[in-house]
Amino acid sequence: NAGVTQTPKFQVLKTGQSMTLQCAQDMNHNSMYWYRQDPGMGLRLIYYSASEGTTDKGEVPNGYNVSRLNKREFSLRLESAAPSQTSVYFCASREGGAGGYTFGSGTRLTVV
Amino acid sequence: QKEVEQNSGPLSVPEGAIASLNCTYSDRGSQSFFWYRQYSGKSPELIMFIYSNGDKEDGRFTAQLNKASQYVSLLIRDSQPSDSATYLCAVRNTDKLIFGTGTRLQVFP
Repeated sequence: NAGVTQTPKFQVLKTGQSMTLQCAQDMNHNSMYWYRQDPGMGLRLIYYSASEGTTDKGEVPNGYNVSRLNKREFSLRLESAAPSQTSVYFCASREGGAGGYTFGSGTRLTVV
Repeated sequence: QKEVEQNSGPLSVPEGAIASLNCTYSDRGSQSFFWYRQYSGKSPELIMFIYSNGDKEDGRFTAQLNKASQYVSLLIRDSQPSDSATYLCAVRNTDKLIFGTGTRLQVFP
């Protein structure tokens, strides 16, 4: 099983450009999450989707939008990238109950 | 006040010693508690989780939870240099998983 797959792995954007980060999981998990990680800040929750058809804001949602396309896929969109969005983005999924979260390998985004 | 707090470290311990990592959380409604390990440049990997008061052991790792004190800890016995990483505490309430900023552990030979 691939687990959680994120694309792309690396991306450089110019300020004002838009892009979509893709995430797919093959574990039939109900819940999916987007985090960003900055040095010294830990992982901060951007948006999450508890189930197909629902999305909710996390700790730092400003400047982002998400789409839960189906049970497998959860995308994160930057409409107008800013240098403050330079970060490592992680997607995660969870089956439900008390179990743990599985993370993708991350997308390293630089906005210049 | 941050929802999940950890000392950033570094915590330095000699090989073979017990490393003790601590975490406090603010939301009394939190339901389950996780410890992740993250090597530099890699994604977090789950070590273990706990949801009942008391201790939970898995190999060299023991998680301890005290809901009254809103405190969760991770003990690593017989620490190895390969345990050198950042350890992230995370707390779940309903569907949200909130992380602390992590504690960097250094195990020296």
